[in-house]
Amino acid sequence: DAGVTQSPTHLIKTRGQQVTLRCSPKSGHDTVSWYQQALGQGPQFIFQYYEEEERQRGNFPDRFSGHQFPNYSSELNVNALLLGDSALYLCASSSQGSSYEQYFGPGTRLTVT
Amino acid sequence: GNSVTQMEGPVTLSEEAFLTINCTYTATGYPSLFWYVQYPGEGLQLLLKATKADDKGSNKGFEATYRKETTSFHLEKGSVQVSDSAVYFCAHGSSNTGKLIFGQGTTLQVKP
Repeated sequence: DAGVTQSPTHLIKTRGQQVTLRCSPKSGHDTVSWYQQALGQGPQFIFQYYEEEERQRGNFPDRFSGHQFPNYSSELNVNALLLGDSALYLCASSSQGSSYEQYFGPGTRLTVT
Repeated sequence: GNSVTQMEGPVTLSEEAFLTINCTYTATGYPSLFWYVQYPGEGLQLLLKATKADDKGSNKGFEATYRKETTSFHLEKGSVQVSDSAVYFCAHGSSNTGKLIFGQGTTLQVKP
C-alpha cells in the first residue's frame, strides 16, 4: 500500500520565480492538505482540497494556490517567491469522513535564494 | 484562538530513562488529539491519537491520555531507546475544520 508521495524532494529557486510542488495521496484517501514547516517550527496549515475544491484555508497570501485533480492528487503553486518561503512543504492525505486524521508525505524542501 | 503548547526542548535522556513531554491545548469544541514524530530529514509519522476525553492513545511503548479538565495530552514512555531520538509534535484537529494545529515540537535526544 503506497503511502503519500511528494515530488520533487528538493528544489532551489530564485526570488520572484514560481514553483509547483506535487502530491499523490495514500490509496483510499480523497482529501489533501498542505502545510509549511519552517526550520525549527511546527507545520502551519496552508489549505485543504476535497472534490477538486479548496475547502479550508490558513493564513497564507494569495501567492499560494493549489489544485486537486480527479485522481485526488494535488499541486501547490507559489508565485513571486520570497526568501521567507524557504521551508519544508508537507502534503497530508485523509478521507473526508475523518479529515483530521492525516497521513504525511516526506515533504519537499524548497530553498529560495 | 486555537493553539498547542509543548514543553521546550531539547530533552536529553539516557537510554532506558522515563520520558514525559508535556502538551496543552486551547480549542473550541472537542478536538481530536495527536502525537506525531519526525525523524531527521523525513516527514511526520502519526504516533498515536485520542478522539475523546479520557481516551488513552498508545503505540510502540508511547502513551498519552486525553485530559479534558486540564486540556492536556502529555506523551510518556517508560523506557526510551536511542532510536527514539527525534522531534515530537503534539497537534489537535477537528472534523469540522479538517486542519491540524501543531505545537512547536520538542526534540528528544537519547544517549546510550
